[in-house]
Amino acid sequence: QVQLQQWGAGLLKPSETLSLTCVVSGGSFRGYYWSWIRQPPGKGLEWIGEVTYTGVTNYNPSLKSRIAISLDTSRKQFSLRMTTLTAADAAMYYCWRRGYDPSSDSWGQGTLVTVSS
Amino acid sequence: EVVMTQSPLSLPVTLGQPASISCTSSQSLVYSEGTTYLNWFVQRPGQPPRRLIYKVSNRDSGVPDRFSGSGSGTHFTLKISRVEAEDVGVYYCMQGTHWPLTFGGGTKVEIK
Repeated sequence: QVQLQQWGAGLLKPSETLSLTCVVSGGSFRGYYWSWIRQPPGKGLEWIGEVTYTGVTNYNPSLKSRIAISLDTSRKQFSLRMTTLTAADAAMYYCWRRGYDPSSDSWGQGTLVTVSS
Repeated sequence: EVVMTQSPLSLPVTLGQPASISCTSSQSLVYSEGTTYLNWFVQRPGQPPRRLIYKVSNRDSGVPDRFSGSGSGTHFTLKISRVEAEDVGVYYCMQGTHWPLTFGGGTKVEIK
């Protein structure tokens, strides 16, 4: 059974860059979308973007100019980089394996990102 | 982008009674090959979301059969046949047909 374990710095200053990594264990990269989702405190879910096994990326247009998502199959991980942070970027960030079979859905534990000077 | 609208915002339910959540999309969720990529998730406090239903009506592994999804085009429904205490949480619909992927605003299910 696949497991996603994410890590990265959670306290950042305005204008800094967020870097999060999600390590994948127990599953294949092929056939899935490797995604990032965020959730501001007390609010709903926002899709950030995703990368496929072949390296194709899809980004939310509202964030596209500031983000990059990459996949490293040799290290069994995928990463999110978001530049020029503001207070509006404060949220719980989740990595997520997206697919369309009964066992494809899998989430990381979440990383709470705070943006404060 | 596709706007997903859920109702109600809050749903108090009695244990053992049915519950229903509606989700409407601003455009059709039928993909070019004919599949409709509409999912339902539940999120319990302090936990990541968990998918219950994919492609409108397919239950994920381990999801009790009291959960069912239905709908087509732009109108979709999640039903719980008999609510149990563990069903408390916030339910989200999500469309995966059009990029960017978008979620509904959520429906909070609580026990009366």
